[in-house]
Amino acid sequence: QKEVEQNSGPLSVPEGAIASLNCTYSDRVSQSFFWYRQYSGKSPELIMSIYSNGDKEDGRFTAQLNKASQYVSLLIRDSQPSDSATYLCAVNSNSGYALNFGKGTSLLVTP
Amino acid sequence: EPEVTQTPSHQVTQMGQEVILRCVPISNHLYFYWYRQILGQKVEFLVSFYNNEISEKSEIFDDQFSVERPDGSNFTLKIRSTKLEDSAMYFCASSRDRGREKLFFGSGTQLSVL
Repeated sequence: QKEVEQNSGPLSVPEGAIASLNCTYSDRVSQSFFWYRQYSGKSPELIMSIYSNGDKEDGRFTAQLNKASQYVSLLIRDSQPSDSATYLCAVNSNSGYALNFGKGTSLLVTP
Repeated sequence: EPEVTQTPSHQVTQMGQEVILRCVPISNHLYFYWYRQILGQKVEFLVSFYNNEISEKSEIFDDQFSVERPDGSNFTLKIRSTKLEDSAMYFCASSRDRGREKLFFGSGTQLSVL
């Protein structure tokens, strides 16, 4: 069973702070990694994808990947109350068809 | 931005009944998926569909489930004899390619089995 593990939280940060979300995965051959945001009762929405070791930045978001440690993280700079949501880490299966999701980390940004 | 459309948004059914959940993927996408999310749990992969056949399915996708693309636009998930544990939000998704391609999710169908 390919596992994707996340701390369920809630992670509470003040507005303007950096939120750091972490994820580990069990399938060493995984190649594609994604962060989705899910508001309560809504569908997942892609925030970032990352495929190579290192950092990838997009606006206030930075994804970090370390394949040797089987670790993916997401940093959200200048956190806003509208960032309050559940953040899902997802890893592609070997075939590339299926996404395996973690349970998600609940983020609360307080004004 | 183009959207994946799902109908109905809510479906209530009695245990043992058949339900069909409907989806219209984005028109130029070739890969179609169903995922489900039981309340408070993770999003789970059910099945992927490409070139008019199932390309991958999970252990959840047993003989009670089937998928079909009856025409050029619709993609359906049928549950033949619903169980209480089938109650979940069902998400349809589509993508242009597999692997690194972005998945576009529909807004979901909340299925309640009584």
